[in-house]
Amino acid sequence: EVQLVESGGGLVQPGGSLRLSCAASGFTFTTYWMHWVRQAPGKGLVWVSRSNSDGSSTTYADSVKGRFTISRENAKNTLYLQMNSLRAEDTAVYYCGRGNKWSLDYWGQGTLVTVSS
Amino acid sequence: QSALTQPPSVSGSPGQSVTISCTGTSSDVGSYNRVSWYQQPPGTAPKLMIYEVSNRPSGVPDRFSGSKSGNTASLTISGLQAEDEADYYCSSYTSSSVWVFGGGTKMTVL
Repeated sequence: EVQLVESGGGLVQPGGSLRLSCAASGFTFTTYWMHWVRQAPGKGLVWVSRSNSDGSSTTYADSVKGRFTISRENAKNTLYLQMNSLRAEDTAVYYCGRGNKWSLDYWGQGTLVTVSS
Repeated sequence: QSALTQPPSVSGSPGQSVTISCTGTSSDVGSYNRVSWYQQPPGTAPKLMIYEVSNRPSGVPDRFSGSKSGNTASLTISGLQAEDEADYYCSSYTSSSVWVFGGGTKMTVL
């Protein structure tokens, strides 16, 4: 059974940093692209970032480019999102998702990030 | 990276068919057959319903179908059921090598 479990969310002050993790199991992690998607409270889904299967190619939404870094540790079946210079508008539930055929075929349950003083 | 355009809400009675539109541009929906649709009931994670415009993952009822014409993709739900009440989002790969979602459509079963 495919499972994605996010962790690392919490309350952080504006300008602060946070690293999210996504632990994957039930599939061969090393062969799949992975994504981060976020959802602000009461709002819609927003794509954040994508990593290819070995982490050598990454892309970002303009809103996070230069502040967020996606990475993965294939030996640990784990995807990361390093978030720096956090702003109030980054407050959201962050989901990781498995990439397959240009879509996200499995999603985690999400982890809440709140940026507030 | 502008969001795809979806109607904020649609509704239908049990047994009816409803269609949700998703309008993009020639840089995303119009250029690629890489449109997907997601269902998100309240308080839950999204679930993939359609990929590559019209393909259903295993386990998704055949009441759900997808299509595309030009810059607009569509999701049709036939034989509407109470359990279909949820938010629905479209998404597309883009010429900038990023993905974009629609603003979401709240589907109400009357």
